[in-house]
Amino acid sequence: KQEVTQIPAALSVPEGENLVLNCSFTDSAIYNLQWFRQDPGKGLTSLLLIQSSQREQTSGRLNASLDKSSGRSTLYIAASQPGDSATYLCAVDNSGGSNYKLTFGKGTLLTVNP
Amino acid sequence: NAGVTQTPKFQVLKTGQSMTLQCAQDMNHNSMYWYRQDPGMGLRLIYYSASEGTTDKGEVPNGYNVSRLNKREFSLRLESAAPSQTSVYFCASSYRSLGGADEKLFFGSGTQLSVL
Repeated sequence: KQEVTQIPAALSVPEGENLVLNCSFTDSAIYNLQWFRQDPGKGLTSLLLIQSSQREQTSGRLNASLDKSSGRSTLYIAASQPGDSATYLCAVDNSGGSNYKLTFGKGTLLTVNP
Repeated sequence: NAGVTQTPKFQVLKTGQSMTLQCAQDMNHNSMYWYRQDPGMGLRLIYYSASEGTTDKGEVPNGYNVSRLNKREFSLRLESAAPSQTSVYFCASSYRSLGGADEKLFFGSGTQLSVL
């Protein structure tokens, strides 16, 4: 059974810092990995999707990396801003054929202080 | 472009009552999903529909039924609500390739359900 762990569970940083969020998974036979953002009382928004054949994806100040062999992914946020405050979740896709299997981590609650 | 629309946003039920949560997407996605999110448990899949006309159980299907009405709409029904079904429910959709992997997953804004 796939298990996805996100460390730390919560993180508080001053504005302007660069930071790294971690995601680890136990089954490396994945199709892809997604990073999501969730604001309080809202749904999830997909930030980045990395296919299993890729090593990283970038969008603006966000960079996500994937190391399948070690079962790890990191989300790097450059020059953090108070608007980045949210919960960040990763999810790994182990689907095969018609069998759907997406496993979410429990998230990292990020607070960026002005 | 509305994305994924869920209704209602809030609902309070008494034990034993029934209700249907509605979900519609306008992105021409083939796959749709219902998740529940509980503190400390994370997101768990209830049911999914890989394509129009098909539905499959997820991790926590007991007490729920679903209908994929057409390509756009996927509803979730609680036939006899129980306090254990108090949760936040999310509908999501994506395009899934023939190989089985998703493209990006799009979520609705959620339904907060309380069962008393």
